[in-house]
Amino acid sequence: SQQGEEDPQALSIQEGENATMNCSYKTSINNLQWYRQNSGRGLVHLILIRSNEREKHSGRLRVTLDTSKKSSSLLITASRAADTASYFCATDADGTASKLTFGTGTRLQVTL
Amino acid sequence: EAQVTQNPRYLITVTGKKLTVTCSQNMNHEYMSWYRQDPGLGLRQIYYSMNVEVTDKGDVPEGYKVSRKEKRNFPLILESPSPNQTSLYFCASRPWTSFTDTQYFGPGTRLTVL
Repeated sequence: SQQGEEDPQALSIQEGENATMNCSYKTSINNLQWYRQNSGRGLVHLILIRSNEREKHSGRLRVTLDTSKKSSSLLITASRAADTASYFCATDADGTASKLTFGTGTRLQVTL
Repeated sequence: EAQVTQNPRYLITVTGKKLTVTCSQNMNHEYMSWYRQDPGLGLRQIYYSMNVEVTDKGDVPEGYKVSRKEKRNFPLILESPSPNQTSLYFCASRPWTSFTDTQYFGPGTRLTVL
């Protein structure tokens, strides 16, 4: 079943701007992860936030989690052309990561 | 170099012709998983394995088989492929002992079933 829905489906910004992507999910989770996928390639893990955390930072990435609204956001600050990729959220319901459920993704285009 | 490898990377086949997509990891990970990616649907889990000889169904297991006879390998078998199995397939692995560790993904196998 599809757990996560990313919003927007596609986002186009200029280099230097910030990009915000949102993820909504349906059931209770233990943690939520964000992945990046360059065109047609494998996914690369970006950041994990646990259900008892509200915000987490990693370099230019900032992730928030609102379990009451069942939503998360990924902010990329000072975007670069190299950030052009699809971004997916993935939820882990039982904390074992045996069954990650991925969203449909946000396609980010960063232009010069 | 720590990595997950998949073979073949590209495959065009015909309906009903059995095929196997191999997946191998060199990180001694207990957990391995297969996903398929289709436009507008994101990644959906097919099967996963928590260790040798331990496998379980994901969200879309119909039409697929897996085996885990060795820790490093987790092949995906399509006994009788059909056109609706045309997709981009990813294998992933991670250590089982750390529940919050990231999954490491292979480069993908693009399968077309005619």
